[in-house]
Amino acid sequence: DAKTTQPPSMDCAEGRAANLPCNHSTISGNEYVYWYRQIHSQGPQYIIHGLKNNETNEMASLIITEDRKSSTLILPHATLRDTAVYYCIVRPRERLTGGGNKLTFGTGTQLKVEL
Amino acid sequence: DTAVSQTPKYLVTQMGNDKSIKCEQNLGHDTMYWYKQDSKKFLKIMFSYNNKELIINETVPNRFSPKSPDKAHLNLHINSLELGDSAVYFCASSQVDPSYEQYFGPGTRLTVT
Repeated sequence: DAKTTQPPSMDCAEGRAANLPCNHSTISGNEYVYWYRQIHSQGPQYIIHGLKNNETNEMASLIITEDRKSSTLILPHATLRDTAVYYCIVRPRERLTGGGNKLTFGTGTQLKVEL
Repeated sequence: DTAVSQTPKYLVTQMGNDKSIKCEQNLGHDTMYWYKQDSKKFLKIMFSYNNKELIINETVPNRFSPKSPDKAHLNLHINSLELGDSAVYFCASSQVDPSYEQYFGPGTRLTVT
């Protein structure tokens, strides 16, 4: 799986947009970009994923650069409940022979949303 | 309705004991996983099963033995527990297609004394 680089921490004011960057310069053409988050002591939660087009769902938007070497997760109106560790993960599009569908987590970005 | 459930939520035991953690999913998924999150918060895959067949075994000691009685259940049995086994263990499930997301359980915090 391609390695990802994220800032260790970020702060955001409640109600403002939180923009979380991720570098994945070694990503290959058949790899998705996934975002998960882990709220303190809970299991990781899926947020969004994309291949090369920008994506939006009820939780967030994902902006992927044209060269696919970086992406940004946008939480449009952050709330206190969005305080969590956010993980950017790159994984193959196809199921690997003998490799299953594992997620390789890095260290993520600790997002702190404050009043 | 809980999608992925684990029992117990907390487990405190002594070194050398044998213990099991149970996981059940009601999502109809074919693939289930065990992840370990250590004290430094690194989250790492341990095992993956697809339709009761072991797919991934990530250099986990033989003391750890997953068992999948059916595709809705994946249990983790640990023999001869060691201090280093203290961690939070997360079960997850997904559709077999890698484009689908994984759903995680609430975790089991194992403390070995």
